[in-house]
Amino acid sequence: ETGVTQSPTHLIKTRGQQVTLRCSSQSGHNTVSWYQQALGQGPQFIFQYYREEENGRGNFPPRFSGLQFPNYSSELNVNALELDDSALYLCASSAGQGYETQYFGPGTRLLVL
Amino acid sequence: GENVEQHPSTLSVQEGDSAVIKCTYSDSASNYFPWYKQELGKRPQLIIDIRSNVGEKKDQRIAVTLNKTAKHFSLHITETQPEDSAVYFCAASIDDSGTYKYIFGTGTRLKVLA
Repeated sequence: ETGVTQSPTHLIKTRGQQVTLRCSSQSGHNTVSWYQQALGQGPQFIFQYYREEENGRGNFPPRFSGLQFPNYSSELNVNALELDDSALYLCASSAGQGYETQYFGPGTRLLVL
Repeated sequence: GENVEQHPSTLSVQEGDSAVIKCTYSDSASNYFPWYKQELGKRPQLIIDIRSNVGEKKDQRIAVTLNKTAKHFSLHITETQPEDSAVYFCAASIDDSGTYKYIFGTGTRLKVLA
């Protein structure tokens, strides 16, 4: 079992609200990537943080933002929630950027009503 | 834009047979290609990966091949077992001058019939 943890496990929000999801990276890892996985789909890359700086971003609007802290844990913030934001949100940590192996957390399932 | 196509979407094989899943990527800057297995309700787990300077990699019953010219890579599982049943995702990592993107395929649901 990997050391990546996420909280909360489940969350229900209404349209227009804001949400913060949290990820603790595996010990020794300095890079965290966030993904959105809709039901029956592959994970969609949101962004990556390396040593507290965003160093890669997928095709997500600015209302998806993040932070990485000095201990390399990370937050994903989503503003102005839309129904289509309902999905499983996965974070993955790695020992570096690029082609380092990513280890996924268990995910946070977000439902927007 | 960047894209990874994965085929087939579903695959049923008899226990003991081989399974092959194929992916094609669009961005020639892709340099790392992991494969993940995701069981129902669980997190994706890395099963094998390959970097762009290698053409083939094998780990027991699992192998991955990469053809950079054709921009495709494949997962091969031999002697399949019921516990291999899961959804498999390929992915490509794109290094764009020090910034990174990861593009996943749409997944293949593998069912191994006992």
